[in-house]
Amino acid sequence: DTGVSQDPRHKITKRGQNVTFRCDPISEHNRLYWYRQTLGQGPEFLTYFQNEAQLEKSRLLSDRFSAERPKGSFSTLEIQRTEQGDSAMYLCASSGTDPSYEQYFGPGTRLTVT
Amino acid sequence: AQSVAQPEDQVNVAEGNPLTVKCTYSVSGNPYLFWYVQYPNRGLQFLLKYITGDNLVKGSYGFEAEFNKSQTSFHLKKPSALVSDSALYFCAVRDAGGYQKVTFGTGTKLQVIP
Repeated sequence: DTGVSQDPRHKITKRGQNVTFRCDPISEHNRLYWYRQTLGQGPEFLTYFQNEAQLEKSRLLSDRFSAERPKGSFSTLEIQRTEQGDSAMYLCASSGTDPSYEQYFGPGTRLTVT
Repeated sequence: AQSVAQPEDQVNVAEGNPLTVKCTYSVSGNPYLFWYVQYPNRGLQFLLKYITGDNLVKGSYGFEAEFNKSQTSFHLKKPSALVSDSALYFCAVRDAGGYQKVTFGTGTKLQVIP
């Protein structure tokens, strides 16, 4: 069990550019979550997958955001035409299926849009 | 809709003294409750959870939390604070019978003073 990993750890991009983040969950976990965290706030839910199926998306997830988990293993989160308001920490977490299970978080990807 | 309130942005406590970090929640059904800790530039780390049963749950690093259904609270406690406990603490709730989404509080910064 190597834990949840995220890549890159930091990303600086210019407004209008597209960015893609990757998350590798704990291998036996079939649920994968994406959150956004801004300074002084708790993580805000964006979306989650069970295996390769995306089961829920937050209203926070505008049309510029898309997430995939094509083989039920790693996931990618893409932001198109980035805006300064997208600057945040993007966290990935994974868990087993049961809702009582805790989530295991990766270190996050800090996005800065200039 | 489910929600979590952490009424204190910051808690200061002297090393060796007991600490309490407060959390109240709102959920339509039975709650699953979680506490996570976040160190600077790191992802969230699971501390403990309440699922059912004993109202006092014990977790990692000597932390415990008391579930109070009538007061809809789940306060985090530790008998003797360490300087290394200084971090950001998040309470989270999930409806046991409903959505898989987890809602986090805004966090409480714990400062343990040597």
